[in-house]
Amino acid sequence: ETGVTQSPTHLIKTRGQQVTLRCSSQSGHNTVSWYQQALGQGPQFIFQYYREEENGRGNFPPRFSGLQFPNYSSELNVNALELDDSALYLCASSVQGRGGYTFGSGTRLTVV
Amino acid sequence: AQSVSQHNHHVILSEAASLELGCNYSYGGTVNLFWYVQYPGQHLQLLLKYFSGDPLVKGIKGFEAEFIKSKFSFNLRKPSVQWSDTAEYFCAVNLNTNAGKSTFGDGTTLTVKP
Repeated sequence: ETGVTQSPTHLIKTRGQQVTLRCSSQSGHNTVSWYQQALGQGPQFIFQYYREEENGRGNFPPRFSGLQFPNYSSELNVNALELDDSALYLCASSVQGRGGYTFGSGTRLTVV
Repeated sequence: AQSVSQHNHHVILSEAASLELGCNYSYGGTVNLFWYVQYPGQHLQLLLKYFSGDPLVKGIKGFEAEFIKSKFSFNLRKPSVQWSDTAEYFCAVNLNTNAGKSTFGDGTTLTVKP
């Protein structure tokens, strides 16, 4: 198993900028989910992608968007960054219809 | 809205002590339940999961969890903890109708003293 890999590991951006985070799914997984984890809190569901389409979304504004590619890798894009977007962003892959994620190590985003 | 509560924020135990971490969720329908663990410096890992059947679920490293539907609970247990169990533990719930979205609790930090 290759696991889930995320890049970059750390990122510093200025308020108002845009950012793209990347994720490679575990081999054999066809679903990718993105989570935001603030310090001291549990992960919060942003959205999930399956068959290259959004397949569920949490309570996040439209400036959070994503893509899934044919090889099941994924991107998370955040436009017009705000200070409150500073968090750990986690990518998790799974097999559609089967529960339980394989998580990546996350990207730590700091917005200044 | 669906929510998950982990009442113990930080638990400190000595080695060989028994462990029980509480998890309660607020949803009356069919749910799938999970415990994840995050060891220091590592990523979140699945510890165990419950979908249906026997409400007592066995996981890795000697952990188990019991689903009590009437109490909306899925508590994690281990009879005898080790120093290596020091980690953060997260409970998570999926609605059976929306397997894509997991709602997580805020986690419990377990510190095991040698």
